[in-house]
Amino acid sequence: DAKTTQPPSMDCAEGRAANLPCNHSTISGNEYVYWYRQIHSQGPQYIIHGLKNNETNEMASLIITEDRKSSTLILPHATLRDTAVYYCIVRVWGSQGNLIFGKGTKLSVKP
Amino acid sequence: DGGITQSPKYLFRKEGQNVTLSCEQNLNHDAMYWYRQDPGQGLRLIYYSQIVNDFQKGDIAEGYSVSREKKESFPLTVTSAQKNPTAFYLCASSIWSGGQETQYFGPGTRLLVL
Repeated sequence: DAKTTQPPSMDCAEGRAANLPCNHSTISGNEYVYWYRQIHSQGPQYIIHGLKNNETNEMASLIITEDRKSSTLILPHATLRDTAVYYCIVRVWGSQGNLIFGKGTKLSVKP
Repeated sequence: DGGITQSPKYLFRKEGQNVTLSCEQNLNHDAMYWYRQDPGQGLRLIYYSQIVNDFQKGDIAEGYSVSREKKESFPLTVTSAQKNPTAFYLCASSIWSGGQETQYFGPGTRLLVL
């Protein structure tokens, strides 16, 4: 699976959009981008995944650049409960098993 | 209410004791996983099971054992052979959609050694 790079930490004001970037410059055509988050002392929570088209669900939007070398997770109206470590993971299509979490981005939402 | 449950939330182990962590899911998922997370670290795979009565070792299986007698249940036993068991243990199950697997995690069990 391709390597990902994320900033170690970010701050966001409550009620504003949180834009979390992820670099995956070596991604290949059959690799998907997944996002998870982990709130302190809880299990990781699946957020969203995509291949090349932008995706949106009730939690977030995922914007993938046209060359697929980077992506941005957008939380449209961040709340204090969105404070967590956010992980960007690349997985080969059809792969199963070990989910490799990197160091992620610690998002702090402030009042 | 569908989901993955893990119990207990906290577990204390004495030296030389085996302990079993419970993981149950009512999502009708075929595959289940056990991961270990140490402070400030990523997840490491202990064991996984793709179907009932079958399981495979992950990267750090030594000192652990599992069983998969029912689709809903995948208990993990931490044996006395595991010399450094203090960690946060996470169970996951997965679903396939459009050729892609998505894993969903339980709330975790924190194991502490007395």
